[in-house]
Amino acid sequence: AQSVTQLDSQVPVFEEAPVELRCNYSSSVSVYLFWYVQYPNQGLQLLLKYLSGSTLVESINGFEAEFNKSQTSFHLRKPSVHISDTAEYFCAVKRGRGSTLGRLYFGRGTQLTVWP
Amino acid sequence: EAQVTQNPRYLITVTGKKLTVTCSQNMNHEYMSWYRQDPGLGLRQIYYSMNVEVTDKGDVPEGYKVSRKEKRNFPLILESPSPNQTSLYFCASSPLEGVSTDTQYFGPGTRLTVL
Repeated sequence: AQSVTQLDSQVPVFEEAPVELRCNYSSSVSVYLFWYVQYPNQGLQLLLKYLSGSTLVESINGFEAEFNKSQTSFHLRKPSVHISDTAEYFCAVKRGRGSTLGRLYFGRGTQLTVWP
Repeated sequence: EAQVTQNPRYLITVTGKKLTVTCSQNMNHEYMSWYRQDPGLGLRQIYYSMNVEVTDKGDVPEGYKVSRKEKRNFPLILESPSPNQTSLYFCASSPLEGVSTDTQYFGPGTRLTVL
């Protein structure tokens, strides 16, 4: 079965500091990688995704993630966070083929808290 | 506006009292799915559906039922709820073509408490 590991359950940082949220996955087949964000009392929204091509993908609000196939990682980074980035972040994986086509496998989530 | 809606948003019930959480999407998506979110466990898939009348179990299907009689609706049924089904539930949908690469769109969530 597919597994997604988010290495940190809580990441507290001060405003304007850089942040990295780590994600590793296990798969023997091709995968597609996603980061979703959940703001307080809201549903999940797609932040960014890697499908193919350039291994560095960016979101519209300054986050970026890099697909590293050799390390099976898809870490999320932002060089300078804002208080409004406080949310729970989920890494997720879909398999590119097989009987579980289309199923999203989620990590356990990382709560990012940005302090003033 | 393209969206996934869920009702109710909040529900408190008692053990054994059957309930249904509705999910509807207006994007003509074939693929729909139910997840439950529990602290420290992330989101786990309960059931999913590839199209009308096609449903299959996810990772945690015990105690739940679903049906897919229409493309837009995918209700989640708890025939005899128990306290361990207290959770936050999300419905999601996506197109089937490119289902691996397409974004899944999530509803706002239903917070269920079973006493």
